[in-house]
Amino acid sequence: QVQLQESGPGLVKPSETLSLTCTVSGASVSSESYFWSWIRQPPGKGLEWIGNIYHSGSSNYNPSLKSRVTISVDTSKTQLSLKLSSVTAADTAMYYCARVLSGWYSFDCWGQGTLVTVSS
Amino acid sequence: EIVLTQSPGTLSLSPGERATLSCRASQSVSSSYLAWYQQKPGQAPRLLIYGASSRATGIPDRFSGSGSGTDFTLTISRLEPEDFAVYYCQQYGMSPPWTFGQGTKVEIK
Repeated sequence: QVQLQESGPGLVKPSETLSLTCTVSGASVSSESYFWSWIRQPPGKGLEWIGNIYHSGSSNYNPSLKSRVTISVDTSKTQLSLKLSSVTAADTAMYYCARVLSGWYSFDCWGQGTLVTVSS
Repeated sequence: EIVLTQSPGTLSLSPGERATLSCRASQSVSSSYLAWYQQKPGQAPRLLIYGASSRATGIPDRFSGSGSGTDFTLTISRLEPEDFAVYYCQQYGMSPPWTFGQGTKVEIK
């Protein structure tokens, strides 16, 4: 059974870099059948796609965040990472990692999420 | 960017009733790339429907999806108590970003 678990600081200061890790168990992050995403949800609001990382190591990002975001994968640790620089209060959100069905481009498995608050 | 508009914002229904949720896209979306999710308070979203009409693993057959082009529908044939939640549609396009609708809340009347 696939499980995803996000982890990282729950509080980040404005202008600093948010860094999160997603540990994947029960599936290979190198499989060509899937790829991996980060999605966020501000409190009480809807879902926003942040970006993807593919088994090749390539990635693509939401244009609204592209200048500040980096997603990477460590296959040896079966972990994904998210870095978001120069954060502001608008980046306060629940951050989810998710698995994407290749060919269908839908998120079939989600982590439980981790809440990140940006505040001094 | 493809904008997905969901309606209604809130749907007030009783258990046993039929729920019809709409998702309209600002431009045509391939049916292969339209999905629906359910989210309950304090939980991550759960995939219900992918490819506009295919049920994800373990999803009861009271959930069905339909539509094409710019108009898509999620139907819950008979609402069970556990179905009261927020529902989101999501699309994938050839160019980023992937987008979600703003959500429809199905509440108990």
